[in-house]
Amino acid sequence: KAGVTQTPRYLIKTRGQQVTLSCSPISGHRSVSWYQQTPGQGLQFLFEYFSETQRNKGNFPGRFSGRQFSNSRSEMNVSTLELGDSALYLCASSLRARRGPYEQYFGPGTRLTVT
Amino acid sequence: DAKTTQPTSMDCAEGRAANLPCNHSTISGNEYVYWYRQIHSQGPQYIIHGLKNNETNEMASLIITEDRKSSTLILPHATLRDTAVYYCIVRPYTGTASKLTFGTGTRLQVTL
Repeated sequence: KAGVTQTPRYLIKTRGQQVTLSCSPISGHRSVSWYQQTPGQGLQFLFEYFSETQRNKGNFPGRFSGRQFSNSRSEMNVSTLELGDSALYLCASSLRARRGPYEQYFGPGTRLTVT
Repeated sequence: DAKTTQPTSMDCAEGRAANLPCNHSTISGNEYVYWYRQIHSQGPQYIIHGLKNNETNEMASLIITEDRKSSTLILPHATLRDTAVYYCIVRPYTGTASKLTFGTGTRLQVTL
């Protein structure tokens, strides 16, 4: 079974631009979560989508948004990029059955550099 | 979610068992213990999880103390490829369990 895939793997943008990252979960997984990883803050939860609805949200500004499609694929968007948005963005998928526990499987990440 | 405490770093000789401790003294009854690891610049990899019984899979064993206030991840025969940052996480059984709260983890260095 194929793992979680993320595209693109690397991205360079300039301040003020916006960016869209894509995530394809493991087949059959309906939950997609997004995380940001930086050397200073570590791994931080951004949001989770399940059945095309945002179910949980971390403590990030409104410039960070996401969506999920009917095939469970997800995108996250960052508008008006700032230098501090440079990070590894990770996507994780899980079954998210009504009764847990369930594990999350991570993709390789998208390395975003803002200049 | 309950807070966890792990040593910052550990060394282990290749072929020996690596025992990684985690303290989670404030764990509540509905929280599981999860272990993930992250090899440099890759996404975190799920290893194992448990509630109160010891667990074993093809990657590792998880030993949880009877009072559930601490646990140990055991890699029985560490190899150089096990060099990574290991994260111990406690999270609820259901509800907002989708959110994983990562601490700083333990940097395990496996050496020849």
